Amino acid sequence: KQEVTQIPAALSVPEGENLVLNCSFTDSAIYNLQWFRQDPGKGLTSLLLIQSSQREQTSGRLNASLDKSSGRSTLYIAASQPGDSATYLCAVKGGGADGLTFGKGTHLIIQP
Amino acid sequence: DTAVSQTPKYLVTQMGNDKSIKCEQNLGHDTMYWYKQDSKKFLKIMFSYNNKELIINETVPNRFSPKSPDKAHLNLHINSLELGDSAVYFCASSQANYGYTFGSGTRLTVV
Repeated sequence: KQEVTQIPAALSVPEGENLVLNCSFTDSAIYNLQWFRQDPGKGLTSLLLIQSSQREQTSGRLNASLDKSSGRSTLYIAASQPGDSATYLCAVKGGGADGLTFGKGTHLIIQP
Repeated sequence: DTAVSQTPKYLVTQMGNDKSIKCEQNLGHDTMYWYKQDSKKFLKIMFSYNNKELIINETVPNRFSPKSPDKAHLNLHINSLELGDSAVYFCASSQANYGYTFGSGTRLTVV
């Protein structure tokens, strides 16, 4: 059974810092990995999708990498801003008709 | 707007009642899902539907029943609501190996 772990569970940093959020998964037989953002009381916003054949994806200040063989992904946020404060969720899609398996998230606070 | 929309956004009801949450997607996706986010914010899949066929049922009580009248809709019916059913329920859709799109969630409170 797939398990997804996110480290750290919470992170508070001053504005402007570059930071890395970590995600690991136990079963490397995945189709893709998706990073989401969730603001308090809101739904999930997709940030980046990495297919199993890809190594990384970039969108603006966000860069996500995938090392499928070692079961790891990182989300790099450059020049963090207070508006980046949210919970960041990592989710992997297994084979066939499996849905996404989520980690418990990293609660990120960017201090002005 | 292309999206996954679910209604209602908030639902407060008494124990023992039966309620439904509706979900619609206009993305043309083949598969739709229901996820539950518990009080600890952990998201777990409940059901998925592909071409009107139930694919996954992850140890969800049979008081919960998904109903899909067509490819664009997946409604969630809950019978005999219990206090422990209080949570945020998210609908989502996906196409093949592409990413998932989530609705904005329905916060269910059972009193």
